Amino acid sequence: QQQVKQSPQSLIVQKGGIPIINCAYENTAFDYFPWYQQFPGKGPALLIAIRPDVSEKKEGRFTISFNKSAKQFSLHIMDSQPGDSATYFCAASRPNFGNEKLTFGTGTRLTIIP
Amino acid sequence: ETGVTQSPTHLIKTRGQQVTLRCSSQSGHNTVSWYQQALGQGPQFIFQYYREEENGRGNFPPRFSGLQFPNYSSELNVNALELDDSALYLCASSSPGDTQYFGPGTRLTVL
Repeated sequence: QQQVKQSPQSLIVQKGGIPIINCAYENTAFDYFPWYQQFPGKGPALLIAIRPDVSEKKEGRFTISFNKSAKQFSLHIMDSQPGDSATYFCAASRPNFGNEKLTFGTGTRLTIIP
Repeated sequence: ETGVTQSPTHLIKTRGQQVTLRCSSQSGHNTVSWYQQALGQGPQFIFQYYREEENGRGNFPPRFSGLQFPNYSSELNVNALELDDSALYLCASSSPGDTQYFGPGTRLTVL
């Protein structure tokens, strides 16, 4: 059972554009929603994360928008650069002290064209 | 770069063999989680160790086992390897309730 659905599978955007990656979740017990960036041959690196008590969070060029009622959240990358080309994963976890397993989406391969 | 290290970087085994993967957690972290990432997929949770005890397990068979040591480093052991076990194995360290930081992974190929 896939509890976090991610789209699109791949995305090509011109430099300076704003790629948007969407995720939807099913489990209303999830309360922590991070986004990870992964380059080939590397482990996932945390980009930004949000909790359901806010609808938006910005860190640098990265913004998460969160819609609790729709059980959806999205990542926006402002002023995208070729160096942003990577695979992006959304994830979710439940509040369970010492057992916060992450449930990941299937990933979006982002390519930024110069 | 996180302070999480994994060894070895790459490993090739044959079906039926056993393998041990190692992870050193970031300083100050007492929780280690292991994930399996098949090619083109998101990481799948295997299990988590907190203060040397298994503290949660995903949908993986018992031939996947682990250990956590007093210094909070960890091992993942896989017995009776199958072709489908070929994947990138990731460990992540954290403090309870806090962000998980991933290591670079071990690429396991089963022939």
